[in-house]
Amino acid sequence: NAGVTQTPKFRILKIGQSMTLQCAQDMNHNYMYWYRQDPGMGLKLIYYSVGAGITDKGEVPNGYNVSRSTTEDFPLRLELAAPSQTSVYFCASSYGAKAFFGQGTRLTVV
Amino acid sequence: AQTVTQSQPEMSVQEAETVTLSCTYDTSESDYYLFWYKQPPSRQMILVIRQEAYKQQNATENRFSVNFQKAAKSFSLKISDSQLGDAAMYFCAYRPWASGGSNYKLTFGKGTLLTVNP
Repeated sequence: NAGVTQTPKFRILKIGQSMTLQCAQDMNHNYMYWYRQDPGMGLKLIYYSVGAGITDKGEVPNGYNVSRSTTEDFPLRLELAAPSQTSVYFCASSYGAKAFFGQGTRLTVV
Repeated sequence: AQTVTQSQPEMSVQEAETVTLSCTYDTSESDYYLFWYKQPPSRQMILVIRQEAYKQQNATENRFSVNFQKAAKSFSLKISDSQLGDAAMYFCAYRPWASGGSNYKLTFGKGTLLTVNP
């Protein structure tokens, strides 16, 4: 089983560039999430989705956008990259009490 | 809002010995889940153990067990017979019991970096 797949695994962006972090899950989960992990910190919720067509902001949504056109895919868009967005990004899906995480994307903005 | 606090940024243990990682949390809810996740250098988030707040019995998974003190809002993880492969960052996390909307989100502590010495 593929589970939750994130691409890319690593990326370096220049300030002001845009990019999309891809996330796909093959478990037919309605709930999906984007978290960011900064050094020495736990994961913080950026956005979440409770199903196709429904998204909402988490704790740290500024500078990001999401969409959920299908159950499987939940991409995260950075429009104008800033150094403060240097972080490791995790996508996750959940069913009941169990969460499944992707392997993360390490993003560096220079 | 719920908060999760891990007061030990780093811990170390000798191989084959026992170590306990601490976690406290704050919530006004009576029903919820608590988790311990392991994050090795590969970055993968691996669920170690889960505790439902309504259960008085402490959860156990092989060498991993918890001490859940609901009144004290404390949720510590005990690793017995520590192995080199246990070296990782460990995160304590909280999730409300109620379904719907953002209630499914996890709130994480800052983590404890565990080193296992041979």
